[in-house]
Amino acid sequence: DAKTTQPTSMDCAEGRAANLPCNHSTISGNEYVYWYRQIHSQGPQYIIHGLKNNETNEMASLIITEDRKSSTLILPHATLRDTAVYYCIVRVWRGSSNTGKLIFGQGTTLQVKP
Amino acid sequence: EAQVTQNPRYLITVTGKKLTVTCSQNMNHEYMSWYRQDPGLGLRQIYYSMNVEVTDKGDVPEGYKVSRKEKRNFPLILESPSPNQTSLYFCASSFDAVSTDTQYFGPGTRLTVL
Repeated sequence: DAKTTQPTSMDCAEGRAANLPCNHSTISGNEYVYWYRQIHSQGPQYIIHGLKNNETNEMASLIITEDRKSSTLILPHATLRDTAVYYCIVRVWRGSSNTGKLIFGQGTTLQVKP
Repeated sequence: EAQVTQNPRYLITVTGKKLTVTCSQNMNHEYMSWYRQDPGLGLRQIYYSMNVEVTDKGDVPEGYKVSRKEKRNFPLILESPSPNQTSLYFCASSFDAVSTDTQYFGPGTRLTVL
């Protein structure tokens, strides 16, 4: 699975859009970009994933650059409850790993402030 | 409500006293997995199960046992706990062994071994 690089921490004002970047310059053609988040010591929660087209669901939007070397997770109207560690994971869809494990890096700690 | 449940949520025990952490999912998922999370080390996979009666070691299986007698349950057993097993434990499940990119996590069990 390709390596990802994320900023260690970010702040966002409540009600504003939170834009979380992720670099994955070594991504290969069959690898997807996944985002999970972990609210303080709770279990990680799946947010969204995509291959090359922009994706949107009820939680967030995912923008992937045309060369697929980076992506941005967008929380359109951040709330205090969105304060969490956000993880960007790159892997082959339907599992490149025989163990099915997800490899979580250090992630970005997003602090949403009132 | 679709969910993964774990019990207990918190446990303080002493070295050598056998314990079991239960994990149950109500989504009829085939794949289940156990992770532990430690500061600076991220989430590491302990054991996983592709289906009933099929289990295998993850990255850090030493000191742990699992069983998968029924599809919905995947208990984690510590036969003789030691202080280095003090950690935050998460159970996760996914629809099947090939769709492990989207995993549902339990709320976590915080274990302290004295």
